[in-house]
Amino acid sequence: GAVVSQHPSWVICKSGTSVKIECRSLDFQATTMFWYRQFPKQSLMLMATSNEGSKATYEQGVEKDKFLINHASLTLSTLTVTSAHPEDSSFYICSVRPEEGWNEQFFGPGTRLTVL
Amino acid sequence: AQTVTQSQPEMSVQEAETVTLSCTYDTSESNYYLFWYKQPPSRQMILVIRQEAYKQQNATENRFSVNFQKAAKSFSLKISDSQLGDTAMYFCAPGGGSEKLVFGKGTKLTVNP
Repeated sequence: GAVVSQHPSWVICKSGTSVKIECRSLDFQATTMFWYRQFPKQSLMLMATSNEGSKATYEQGVEKDKFLINHASLTLSTLTVTSAHPEDSSFYICSVRPEEGWNEQFFGPGTRLTVL
Repeated sequence: AQTVTQSQPEMSVQEAETVTLSCTYDTSESNYYLFWYKQPPSRQMILVIRQEAYKQQNATENRFSVNFQKAAKSFSLKISDSQLGDTAMYFCAPGGGSEKLVFGKGTKLTVNP
């Protein structure tokens, strides 16, 4: 399967600041990447679908101006949480779906964000 | 829209025994895939097994197998010879292909020594 990395693995920031999380596909070119958030003891909730070279598609209820997604290359997508607040504290996970011919998603190790 | 129901929030099993996790789903798609992912305490999501909906034969992967009942929209996971390392959250997810995955709420499985 595809190997996916995320950076940082955890981050603590002050309320009002912005935080960028990187998701890299290390051994496959990924035309599509996904961003999820997961609250403690809950399931994964899809935030947005990131397509290389085009705008991300956000799920209903997700503020696109708050969660900025950039998929500038076939191996890198970034999620920026702008003006973070304590309620944005969560576990953020990215996944990749490699190019055509694959159906499953491969997940990064996740990023724990704590906003003070 | 796809919906997924995992009716067992928590389960436990003794080491070396067999356990079955249930999952039902609803989808309007005619061609789709079904997946089971596990999330151990490290929180890394790991693909356990996948099933193509157009295939009647149930998928198997070593100690893991599924019972896929397409008409009933049921997709259960059987773990044989349970091991301590199987302790994790298990998520059922229909989707795949051009479709996004929809995850169930998960079943927390504990394997006891």
